[in-house]
Amino acid sequence: EVQLVQSGAEVKKPGESLKISCRASGYRFSSYWIAWVRQMPGKGLEWMGIIFPGDSDIKYSPSFEGQVTISADESATTAFLQWNSLKASDTAIYYCARLGQLALDYWGQGALVTVSS
Amino acid sequence: EIVLTQSPDTLSVSPGERATLSCRASHSVSNFLAWYQQKPGQAPRLLIYRASTRATGIPARFSASGSGTEFTLTISSLQSEDFAIYYCQQYKNWPLFTFGGGTKVEIK
Repeated sequence: EVQLVQSGAEVKKPGESLKISCRASGYRFSSYWIAWVRQMPGKGLEWMGIIFPGDSDIKYSPSFEGQVTISADESATTAFLQWNSLKASDTAIYYCARLGQLALDYWGQGALVTVSS
Repeated sequence: EIVLTQSPDTLSVSPGERATLSCRASHSVSNFLAWYQQKPGQAPRLLIYRASTRATGIPARFSASGSGTEFTLTISSLQSEDFAIYYCQQYKNWPLFTFGGGTKVEIK
């Protein structure tokens, strides 16, 4: 069974760093792209970027390039999303999702990140 | 960037009635379009891919059509569990796979 399990909710202060994770199981991790999607409170879905764990090829949405870092650890079958200096506007739910041949076919449960002083 | 515009923003429908949702693309996406359903507090779920193919386990009351720039998702007879927000997404413009703004289907 394909599963994407994300790390838990985080509460951070502006300027702090953060790395959230997405652990995959039930399929060959290195063979599928993993995407990150943001959902700000009460808003829609936003495409952030995508990584191919097999060779760590990464593509960012222009809106997020330079704001976050996407990475993956193939041995741990885990993808990551990282911030060096959080802002209040980073408060959102972040989803990871597998890009199958059929669009985003499996999703993590989401990780709520709250940034507040 | 390909912009997807969904309409209406909100659709009020009675249980058992038909719901028709629209997604319009700013440039042709061929049939590289998916539909997702999101219920409150849950992650999105893939409903439709390649514009008209139901994902595994999706009931037959969900159907979709379209190609190029105009797409439609139809729910033939709304059940209580179908009240949710629906998003379209294009995956033609690699690597920027944009989403539409969503249509909320609410109980009338």
